[in-house]
Amino acid sequence: AQKVTQAQTEISVVEKEDVTLDCVYETRDTTYYLFWYKQPPSGELVFLIRRNSFDEQNEISGRYSWNFQKSTSSFNFTITASQVVDSAVYFCALSEAGTGGFKTIFGAGTRLFVKA
Amino acid sequence: EADIYQTPRYLVIGTGKKITLECSQTMGHDKMYWYQQDPGMELHLIHYSYGVNSTEKGDLSSESTVSRIRTEHFPLTLESARPSHTSQYLCASSDRQTYNSPLHFGNGTRLTVT
Repeated sequence: AQKVTQAQTEISVVEKEDVTLDCVYETRDTTYYLFWYKQPPSGELVFLIRRNSFDEQNEISGRYSWNFQKSTSSFNFTITASQVVDSAVYFCALSEAGTGGFKTIFGAGTRLFVKA
Repeated sequence: EADIYQTPRYLVIGTGKKITLECSQTMGHDKMYWYQQDPGMELHLIHYSYGVNSTEKGDLSSESTVSRIRTEHFPLTLESARPSHTSQYLCASSDRQTYNSPLHFGNGTRLTVT
């Protein structure tokens, strides 16, 4: 069975602080994809990144970086020098090849508050 | 600009009414989905479709039904709304590249049943 755990329900930081959002996943498939989505107050989930199970290379995109470690089944997301506009709910998600990719499972989300 | 559209954005309706939540996408995606998002933020898959004339139930049991007569259109219907149906409903689509395709979401319909 697949499962995604985001243990942090809410995080509050002050602008310019770095913040890491944790994601731990469970899967029996050897082939799978991991995703991060952002849901701002407007409500629409926005895709941020995907990573396949065979690529453990970390990725950096501007102030965003992702650390994928298969050994600990984690796919953590770090925002450097946070800004007020980063305030949103962030979801980690998993899609297994065994489901044909038709079932993306989401974590419970982490609500990030960035205060000015 | 949005390529997937949901209407209405907000809906308040009385118990027992029949409602249809609309979802349309202009990307030509074969796969479409409905997720229910509860106040605790979790998203639960309630319906999905591989393409025209195909619909499947998701992981969360739902009293709603869906149809897929056209590629771009995936409406969700509640025959008799109840207060327990109060939630946010998110429609999404993805292209045919199976499991590696990210989901494109609409901005949701927030339903309140009184």
